[in-house]
Amino acid sequence: DQQVKQNSPSLSVQEGRISILNCDYTNSMFDYFLWYKKYPAEGPTFLISISSIKDKNEDGRFTVFLNKSAKHLSLHIVPSQPGDSAVYFCAASTLLRQAGTALIFGKGTTLSVSS
Amino acid sequence: NAGVTQTPKFRVLKTGQSMTLLCAQDMNHEYMYWYRQDPGMGLRLIHYSVGEGTTAKGEVPDGYNVSRLKKQNFLLGLESAAPSQTSVYFCASSYSRGKNEQFFGPGTRLTVL
Repeated sequence: DQQVKQNSPSLSVQEGRISILNCDYTNSMFDYFLWYKKYPAEGPTFLISISSIKDKNEDGRFTVFLNKSAKHLSLHIVPSQPGDSAVYFCAASTLLRQAGTALIFGKGTTLSVSS
Repeated sequence: NAGVTQTPKFRVLKTGQSMTLLCAQDMNHEYMYWYRQDPGMGLRLIHYSVGEGTTAKGEVPDGYNVSRLKKQNFLLGLESAAPSQTSVYFCASSYSRGKNEQFFGPGTRLTVL
């Protein structure tokens, strides 16, 4: 069963408007969450993260909100730009048995920003 | 500073053939990971390494082997390729365990016929 879910496969937004990407998780032991952005034929690149002790983290146009009681997080992009068009992955960090950290990824949401 | 690089970028294999995917990082990271991404799916962890000479299994390890003989390199091997291993493979590295991001390579697109 999927532990990290992104229920919207795609989202279309006009340039200058807000983009809101959503993510739900099932494991209450997750304590760190990340958003990655991926362009075609490239690897994922880190965008922003949030620890479970916070409910908001902001970096420029990107803000991530965490609602622990609902096991829900969202990424807000304001204002959206055409260059933001990409696949966005939500990931939860979990500690591995032999040290290291695994990322549990959602299936991704394809964001299209039109000018 | 190239970050994480992967070789090759593309490869087509026939069922039963073997190959090795190479990952290299120049950030002096201790931890390295191999993921696969299938259409419509998120990335899933195959194997990982917490340091030179150490490897461990991830979520989907069957059919793969790995080696970490040098800190900067992490190799993923397919001994006898199967069509189910058709996927895009991503290598990643991170500085330490815990709350820090993983840096990903550009990926290797593998097709097994």
